[in-house]
Amino acid sequence: DAGVIQSPRHEVTEMGQEVTLRCKPISGHNSLFWYRQTMMRGLELLIYFNNNVPIDDSGMPEDRFSAKMPNASFSTLKIQPSEPRDSAVYFCASRPGLATGELFFGEGSRLTVL
Amino acid sequence: DQQVKQNSPSLSVQEGRISILNCDYTNSMFDYFLWYKKYPAEGPTFLISISSIKDKNEDGRFTVFLNKSAKHLSLHIVPSQPGDSAVYFCAAMPASGTYKYIFGTGTRLKVLA
Repeated sequence: DAGVIQSPRHEVTEMGQEVTLRCKPISGHNSLFWYRQTMMRGLELLIYFNNNVPIDDSGMPEDRFSAKMPNASFSTLKIQPSEPRDSAVYFCASRPGLATGELFFGEGSRLTVL
Repeated sequence: DQQVKQNSPSLSVQEGRISILNCDYTNSMFDYFLWYKKYPAEGPTFLISISSIKDKNEDGRFTVFLNKSAKHLSLHIVPSQPGDSAVYFCAAMPASGTYKYIFGTGTRLKVLA
């Protein structure tokens, strides 16, 4: 079975440009998470979806960040306009159901904003 | 302020010896804990978990110990192998049915052959 699939794996862009990161969760998983990893802060939760509905977006840094989940098999994280401080690795993860349990992570999208 | 702390950013261990990775937490409401392993350029992968009703959980070479009174957990790897070289993250979350996994900043383990 395919795991969580993220694209692009690497993105280099210039400040002010729009960035869109994509995620396909594991089929049958109805919880989806977007995390950002930085050296200073580790893994931070940006937004959590359950059954395609955003439940908690309190971790989204500011209005420049937005996320959508139009259906059970696709989610996007958009940054517009991007800034150098947004440079990080962005991970998407999914989980079946609401119970505690392991998160299944994608391989991440490494974003560099120049 | 970090609710989950991994105070050792790195650790080196000889192959065959025990690796002990530590994690401290501050929130007494946490009752489910997980360890993840991450190789470079890959996403974190689940390793082992423990519920607060237990003080030990074992899976092959990996054992997690939980000391609730000290708000401390540790991951023991015995024997350590070069393939165990990775970054290890501990994570904690409150009662079941929630989504707020709080991750530590990770410990980089290097197992020397």
